[in-house]
Amino acid sequence: GAGVSQSPSNKVTEKGKDVELRCDPISGHTALYWYRQSLGQGLEFLIYFQGNSAPDKSGLPSDRFSAERTGGSVSTLTIQRTQQEDSAVYLCASSLAVGAGTGELFFGEGSRLTVL
Amino acid sequence: GDSVTQMEGPVTLSEEAFLTINCTYTATGYPSLFWYVQYPGEGLQLLLKATKADDKGSNKGFEATYRKETTSFHLEKGSVQVSDSAVYFCALSDQFPTGNQFYFGTGTSLTVIP
Repeated sequence: GAGVSQSPSNKVTEKGKDVELRCDPISGHTALYWYRQSLGQGLEFLIYFQGNSAPDKSGLPSDRFSAERTGGSVSTLTIQRTQQEDSAVYLCASSLAVGAGTGELFFGEGSRLTVL
Repeated sequence: GDSVTQMEGPVTLSEEAFLTINCTYTATGYPSLFWYVQYPGEGLQLLLKATKADDKGSNKGFEATYRKETTSFHLEKGSVQVSDSAVYFCALSDQFPTGNQFYFGTGTSLTVIP
């Protein structure tokens, strides 16, 4: 597609359930990022994929969070045993490879997660 | 490590007022600097960027100049409109120490009243 696509746009779940959030980056973008935006807060870095390199997972808040990127394209962020503090908007962004452009990030519209 | 510090909000201005949102950064390499904007109910989008010292980024009447000597990238607009009401994020992209990492400020909410 023309832009970064995220699904679902909204997800309401019960505490303790697992959720999966999907991101389809812009075609040809080898870098993919996940951020979390909580109400009234800035962007919290979660994880970064660059091509076939090992992902930078330094921002994942706990071992309940994991992400994978299959075939260098679509990425899935998984949150296990969700807690109420996981409620936030999860943003995905992609960009061209290092050195291949200005480094601009292109964001999806986000997946709003509400944990009851 | 790299970081971005931007002015706390919220900011409320009357239409046609002058806007400044301060942003300073710390970086180990030679970063590119960005301002992203998030309009109500929408995703983040790039507003303007500058890739080297003394560059001026501009778009939609907004400007920001990359000042290496003061490590700053302040956002300015001479006459704001109601449609400028949004959250503004300063960000840097640094290729060091690994990969193409982005660092964001906490965002500044702007409300412009008629």
